[in-house]
Amino acid sequence: IQMTQSPSSLSASVGDRVTITCRASQGIAKDLGWYQQKPGKAPKLLISGASTLQLDVPSRFSGSGSGTDFTLTINNLQPEDFATYYCLQDYNYPYTFGQGTKVEIK
Amino acid sequence: QVQLVQSGAEMKKPGASVKVSCKTSGYTFTGHYIHWVRQAPGQGPEWMGWINPNRPATYSIKNLEDRLTLTWDTSIGTAYLELSRLTSDDTGIYYCVRPDKGDLTFWGQGSLVTVSS
Repeated sequence: IQMTQSPSSLSASVGDRVTITCRASQGIAKDLGWYQQKPGKAPKLLISGASTLQLDVPSRFSGSGSGTDFTLTINNLQPEDFATYYCLQDYNYPYTFGQGTKVEIK
Repeated sequence: QVQLVQSGAEMKKPGASVKVSCKTSGYTFTGHYIHWVRQAPGQGPEWMGWINPNRPATYSIKNLEDRLTLTWDTSIGTAYLELSRLTSDDTGIYYCVRPDKGDLTFWGQGSLVTVSS
């Protein structure tokens, strides 16, 4: 399953709302996770099952979608949110990641 | 708490093999798969495969399955990744990951593998 993520990068300011999308080449139900990666660190799971926020993740992050189209939204962007975000389908093997979206400071 | 501690950085010549270890703690080793993910410099992550210590069973992606060996030692709660016939394209950080309901939840700190002549 191919995961097409867009945009590949974006510039935003603190306080902005940011939207990242991921499209699967076939239906994957809601078997999609969103991961945040900061330089020199391992990816961190933010959202599982397309929309379930992990316990330690701020509520300004949200996810939606099912089937083939998914969205990660970050409301009120904070300085610590500048990072690269990846989607990952865990519907079947092999798992596949999107190409990533780098969120940079405007 | 769940912890995965990986072995240190390795530098290898093309054609050589590398073995990365992943020592787990804080949970029952046979109760969960361990996945392996790698990331080339400046690139996104690439999922490589998994082990199921309970069955036992392994799975590797097609383009690596002839070079990739995934093993484990239940007695010490440790998983291993061995990659043979290394090329410069294998340079990157290798992560072990313990999933939770299929999601890649608990990550090791990563092991840098550099392949260079």
